[in-house]
Parts: sequence; C-alpha cells; structure tokens
Amino acid sequence: EDQVTQSPEALRLQEGESSSLNCSYTVSGLRGLFWYRQDPGKGPEFLFTLYSAGEEKEKERLKATLTKKESFLHITAPKPEDSATYLCAVQPLGGETSGSRLTFGEGTQLTVNP
Amino acid sequence: ETGVTQTPRHLVMGMTNKKSLKCEQHLGHNAMYWYKQSAKKPLELMFVYNFKEQTENNSVPSRFSPECPNSSHLFLHLHTLQPEDSALYLCASSQETSFEDTQYFGPGTRLTVL
Repeated sequence: EDQVTQSPEALRLQEGESSSLNCSYTVSGLRGLFWYRQDPGKGPEFLFTLYSAGEEKEKERLKATLTKKESFLHITAPKPEDSATYLCAVQPLGGETSGSRLTFGEGTQLTVNP
Repeated sequence: ETGVTQTPRHLVMGMTNKKSLKCEQHLGHNAMYWYKQSAKKPLELMFVYNFKEQTENNSVPSRFSPECPNSSHLFLHLHTLQPEDSALYLCASSQETSFEDTQYFGPGTRLTVL
C-alpha cells in the first residue's frame, strides 16, 4: 500500500527565514511525485511534478527535490503570501490508461509572519 | 470559464435530502476525479472516470452516486447522508499521456450534513 508522510505538520517562519518541508513516501514503483499548495477553503493548486531521483524543479521562491525515499520543498526567503498548506502526493506506476491514483500526505501548514 | 469549476460552493443538507454536486472542466482532459477532504485527514480518492467510464470506486458508500455524462462534466449525487459525510468535496481532471498526468483541482464544495 502506498504511503506518504509529511513533516512537520505545521511550521511558522519569519519573513525571509528559509526552511524545508519533507515528504517521505513508500510506493511499489513511482510514476510521479506531486507538490500542491492549498489555501483555506480552496482547491489544491499544482506546483511541481518530479519523476526521478535527482530531479529538481524551481518556481519563484520554491524548489522541489526528489530522492528514492523522500522529497523536499525548499522555501527561500519566504513572504507572508507563501502561507498555505503544502500537499505532497505520489502516483504509482501502472494504470496509465485507466485514470491515475494519487495518494496524498496530510500536508504541512506553513505560516510566514511579516 | 477556465480550469475546473464546481457548483455549488457551499451546501447544507439534512440527512433525508437528495442533492447533487456538479463539476465541469474546460481543459480538454479525458479523466475526472472526486475526492473527499476532511479536517486533519489526507485527501481521499472516491471515484475515477476515464473517457466517461468509471475505472475506480474506492469503496465509497452507495449513498454517494457518481455520474459522468461526458468527458467535461462530472456529478456526485447525494442521498441519505450522515453527519460524518460533512467535508470539502473536490473535483479534479487530468490529461493522461505516457509522459504527463497532472491533476488540476476545482475550488471544492463545502458540504455540511445536519
């Protein structure tokens, strides 16, 4: 059974204080690992997809990295508008033609204080 | 309209009521999904449709009945719900190819069962 564990559950940062969020996963074969951002009362907003160990992707102050067991979301010099819940999800191999299954973690709630 | 839309955004219903949630995607995707998001729990996949055919039912109680008349529209029919069914219901869509299968989410319907 696929499993995703995110840590920490909640993180408070001061504006400009860089940090990292962790996503540990167990999957029989990884097709893709996804990061989403979710604001209160809204649907998840897609950020990144990572496909293989060693891959990195960046978007503004965010950088996602992937190893064979975990992924990190690095936040450099965060701003208050980066406050949100960040969700990690894994997609297993197989089922490519039948609709994909994502297994989500519980998320990390990030608060950036001005 | 762009992306994935959901109506209504908020719904309050009694346990004996019958209501329906609607989702429409304007992305030309072939797969659509229903997820349930409860407080302090990961997103739970409920149903998957690919080219209008249901390809996954994640052991969802029969009081939830999905319908997918075409690749752009998805409904979730609700009847005799329980208070524990109160949650945020999210719709998503994706375009499955060999290389890409990112799911894009709608804003969700906040459901309260009295």
